[in-house]
Amino acid sequence: KNQVEQSPQSLIILEGKNCTLQCNYTVSPFSNLRWYKQDTGRGPVSLTIMTFSENTKSNGRYTATLDADTKQSSLHITASQLSDSASYICVVSASHQAAGNKLTFGGGTRVLVKP
Amino acid sequence: DTAVSQTPKYLVTQMGNDKSIKCEQNLGHDTMYWYKQDSKKFLKIMFSYNNKELIINETVPNRFSPKSPDKAHLNLHINSLELGDSAVYFCASSQDVEVYGYTFGSGTRLTVV
Repeated sequence: KNQVEQSPQSLIILEGKNCTLQCNYTVSPFSNLRWYKQDTGRGPVSLTIMTFSENTKSNGRYTATLDADTKQSSLHITASQLSDSASYICVVSASHQAAGNKLTFGGGTRVLVKP
Repeated sequence: DTAVSQTPKYLVTQMGNDKSIKCEQNLGHDTMYWYKQDSKKFLKIMFSYNNKELIINETVPNRFSPKSPDKAHLNLHINSLELGDSAVYFCASSQDVEVYGYTFGSGTRLTVV
């Protein structure tokens, strides 16, 4: 069964500090991994996408890493800002599946940035 | 603006009622989806439509029925609403989901009382 687990469930950090979110997955056959940011009351928005051969991908202050051997990914937020307060969802795509079955969503990590 | 838009944003209704949530995308995507986000924030797929054909129908109650008049619209109709239907429902669309992922709507918070 394809699964995506994220940790921690929630995180409080001070503005300007860094933090790292974790994602472990058991999805096969693996196609790609995305990190989404979901602001309160909004739909998820894609931050990064990584395929099997990519180890790291950056989008501004967000840097995602992928270890396909251990099936782990992390999202690092540098110099956090108040606007980073959101849920961050790890989504893993499987190959050779019908469109509706391709994606497995993690439960998300809620990040709260305090001034 | 190019987007996935869903209406209404909030919906409060009594048990037993029938309600619809509308979704429209102007991105030219071929596939549209409905997801349910539960209280633990897990997103679970309910339906997907590709060119007006149902691709997958997860084990949702048959009280839920998707209706797609054209590839830009995928509405969700719910009959005989139950308390457990309370959740946030997200519409999404994609063109090549493995490459571009999904574009999500802003969600509809349904509260059944």
